Amino acid sequence: EIQLQESGPGLVKPSQSLSLTCSVTGYTITSGYDWSWIRKFPGNKMEWMGYISYSGSTNYNPSLKSRISITRDTSKNQFFLQLNSVTTEDTATYYCARYNNVFDYWGQGVMVTVSS
Amino acid sequence: IQLTQSPSLLSASVGDRVTLSCKGSQNINNYLAWYQQKLGEAPKLLIYKTNSLQTGIPSRFSGSGSGTDYTLTISSLHSEDLATYYCYQYNNGLTFGSGTKLEIK
Repeated sequence: EIQLQESGPGLVKPSQSLSLTCSVTGYTITSGYDWSWIRKFPGNKMEWMGYISYSGSTNYNPSLKSRISITRDTSKNQFFLQLNSVTTEDTATYYCARYNNVFDYWGQGVMVTVSS
Repeated sequence: IQLTQSPSLLSASVGDRVTLSCKGSQNINNYLAWYQQKLGEAPKLLIYKTNSLQTGIPSRFSGSGSGTDYTLTISSLHSEDLATYYCYQYNNGLTFGSGTKLEIK
C-alpha cells in the first residue's frame, strides 16, 4: 500500500525558510507519477504548490514560483519542499500527495505556523 | 480557473439525497474531481473526470456535469458522510473550490 508521511518543523519565523520532507513507502518515486505539495489555509482554501516528476523535472504554481523549490532524494525515496521568505500568510497545513492528474494518495498533513 | 462551490454549509438528515454544486469561471471540459475531507484526516478522492467513481468509494456517491457546472450527489446520506467536500479542476492549471461543509441534522 502506498503511504506518504510529511515531517518538519511546526513553527517557522517570518522571513525564514520553511522546509518539509515527504517520505514515501510502497512505491518508488522514480518509477512513475508526479509528487506534489498542496497546502490548506485556515478557512479551508486549498492551494496546489508544485510537483516533482518521477524523472526529476519540476512544475510550480506561478503564484509561488519565485519562492518555492521541490527536490528529492531518490536513495531515501523522499521529496522535499522549501518555501523561502515566509510570512504569516504561509501558515497552513501542508500535504504531500501523488499526482496523476488527480491527487490520489495523500499524507496526513503537517501544520506549520509562521510566527515570531 | 476559479471554482465556486455552493452552498458553503449544508445541513441534512440521514437518508436524504444531497446535492453539492461546483461552478467554474471557464469551461472545465469534464476535468473535475471531488474530494471528501473529514476532520483531522487527509482529503480522499471520491470522483474523477466528472463521474468516474474512485476504487473503494461507495456507490451512493456520484458526479455529473459539463461545461462550467458540476454536481456531486449523495443518494442516501449516511452519518459517516459528515465532512467538507471540495471540487478540483485540472483542465487549466490545478485549482480547488472553497468547500462545502456537510453537517448531519
